[in-house]
This record gives sequence, C-alpha cells and structure tokens, in this order.
Amino acid sequence: GAVVSQHPSRVICKSGTSVKIECRSLDFQATTMFWYRQFPKQSLMLMATSNEGSKATYEQGVEKDKFLINHASLTLSTLTVTSAHPEDSSFYICSAFRDGYGEQFFGPGTRLTVL
Amino acid sequence: AQSVAQPEDQVNVAEGNPLTVKCTYSVSGNPYLFWYVQYPNRGLQFLLKYITGDNLVKGSYGFEAEFNKSQTSFHLKKPSALVSDSALYFCAVRTLSGSARQLTFGSGTQLTVLP
Repeated sequence: GAVVSQHPSRVICKSGTSVKIECRSLDFQATTMFWYRQFPKQSLMLMATSNEGSKATYEQGVEKDKFLINHASLTLSTLTVTSAHPEDSSFYICSAFRDGYGEQFFGPGTRLTVL
Repeated sequence: AQSVAQPEDQVNVAEGNPLTVKCTYSVSGNPYLFWYVQYPNRGLQFLLKYITGDNLVKGSYGFEAEFNKSQTSFHLKKPSALVSDSALYFCAVRTLSGSARQLTFGSGTQLTVLP
C-alpha cells in the first residue's frame, strides 16, 4: 500500500512549450501533496505545497506563474511548467501526505529535459 | 525554523564493514526524524523513522538509527555494508508542533561501498 505514481517518468520538450507532470496517490487519500525539485547529486528543494481544493503555497523564490499547481482531487496533483526553458531542466519529485496517518510517501520522480 | 545537517558529502566503506552516515538536527519542538535512500534517477525510498519510544530504530534492509536527544543526532548505521547499499542517503526532520507538514531534508550523503 501507500504508493505514489508520477507521469511521465521522463519528458523532453522544446524551449517555450509547457509540460504537465501528474502525481497520483494510488491507494490512499492525500489532502496535501508536495512538489520538490532536485539538481544532480543535491538535496530536494521544496517548491510548493499543494492542498486539495485550494491554492498552492509556494516557497520563496518559486514563480507561481511558471510552475502551476492544481490539486483537483484527493488523489491527484499536477505541476505544469509553463514556457519551459533549459534552466528548468531538473528532476521533479512529488510526495503525498497520507491523511490520518501522518506519513509522507514519495513518487519515483520525473526527469525533465528542455532543449 | 527546523534544519538538518549531514556533515559528510561522501562516505566510503569496504563491503562487510560497518557503516555510519551522520545527521544532526535543529528544531524548536519534538522532532519526527526520517532516513530515506535514493538510487540514481529514482524517487526517495523510506528506510526508517523515529517518532517516540526506543532511541534505537530498526528499518529496512538491515539499517538502524539511534536518536540522541542530548547531541541532537540521528546517525544511520548498518553492521555490515553491501555493495548494493551504495546510494544517496537523506536525513529529514519534521516537528510535531505547528501545522507545517513538510519535511526538511539534509544535503545528502553519497555512500559508496567498495567490493
């Protein structure tokens, strides 16, 4: 149990296009999900906290108009990188906070490469 | 504010020898402490956690960690390292006070087990 999936696992896009990444909690409900960004051999940087039915809370320095987050249901959050540029290339990881259990589970990550 | 320090970027150990990956933390309340492991291009896998109770916590794959409140440490240990343990290890903390649910991660320690 307690599986979090991400789709796609890898995506390559051209500069200027938008990319959507999905994060799903497969067998539990998650009112809160988190989006992280990770550069090679570095730690996870929290980008935003996604709350079902309300606006996401972005960390300082993260552009909310560039990284659009939608948490429309208790099992799905999406991150859309708008007008992607090569500097947006990174490994994006989501995690879901399991309601009632106080535990956080991580997705397998999405490798974004912007050409 | 909560923070986590992993003082070693890299730890090398010979297969069969004991390993230790260090972690210290700083929080204003009682901490939840976690260890995660990450293999290349993969998400984080949960190893173990400390919430309360016995200071020695046993987790997955033979790993254990000892919570030391006076030294504010939560070092990860394994009695006999395997080559397959080579990966990136993250310590993380979340406090029990307040409404924040997000984990704060350390900078990560790359463990290399030499055959």
